[in-house]
Amino acid sequence: QKEVEQNSGPLSVPEGAIASLNCTYSDRGSQSFFWYRQYSGKSPELIMFIYSNGDKEDGRFTAQLNKASQYVSLLIRDSQPSDSATYLCAGSGDSGGYQKVTFGIGTKLQVIP
Amino acid sequence: DGGITQSPKYLFRKEGQNVTLSCEQNLNHDAMYWYRQDPGQGLRLIYYSQIVNDFQKGDIAEGYSVSREKKESFPLTVTSAQKNPTAFYLCASGTTPGPDWDTQYFGPGTRLTVL
Repeated sequence: QKEVEQNSGPLSVPEGAIASLNCTYSDRGSQSFFWYRQYSGKSPELIMFIYSNGDKEDGRFTAQLNKASQYVSLLIRDSQPSDSATYLCAGSGDSGGYQKVTFGIGTKLQVIP
Repeated sequence: DGGITQSPKYLFRKEGQNVTLSCEQNLNHDAMYWYRQDPGQGLRLIYYSQIVNDFQKGDIAEGYSVSREKKESFPLTVTSAQKNPTAFYLCASGTTPGPDWDTQYFGPGTRLTVL
């Protein structure tokens, strides 16, 4: 079974620090990876996606992909209390001719003022 | 204003009732999806549709049904056969294919509670 693993947390970081969120996946055929932010009681909101090895930056967010190690991470620079949320990692791969997205359980991030 | 809408926001169901959750999108996306989210679990796929008049079962389709008569609409019916329907239901849509073709965008969700 294809899985995306995340530590549920909570991960606590002080305001202004770098938050590092990690994710591993089991399916070597996975092609694209996504990070979503989900505030309590709300629906997931896409932060960014990555499909090439290396880093991808968007503002305070940097996604990192290492396909050899089957590892995806999200770095949040200058963390703010408003970043406190659950971060979902997801991977996409072929599932019987259909590109299926598998989600991790999410890591809860707490940014302490 | 483009986006995905779901209604109702909250829904209460009595034992033995069927209920239908609405999902509409005006993003011109071909693919639409239904997930359920339970505390401590990842999103689980119920049904998906890649094109009008076609849909496929996901990982937990038992007790659910869908239709896809229009590109914009993908309603989900939770039947009385679904033994534990209390959950947060999320509808998503996405483009197929394209450079970001697996990217899914979520509606605001419907919280279903069985009384």
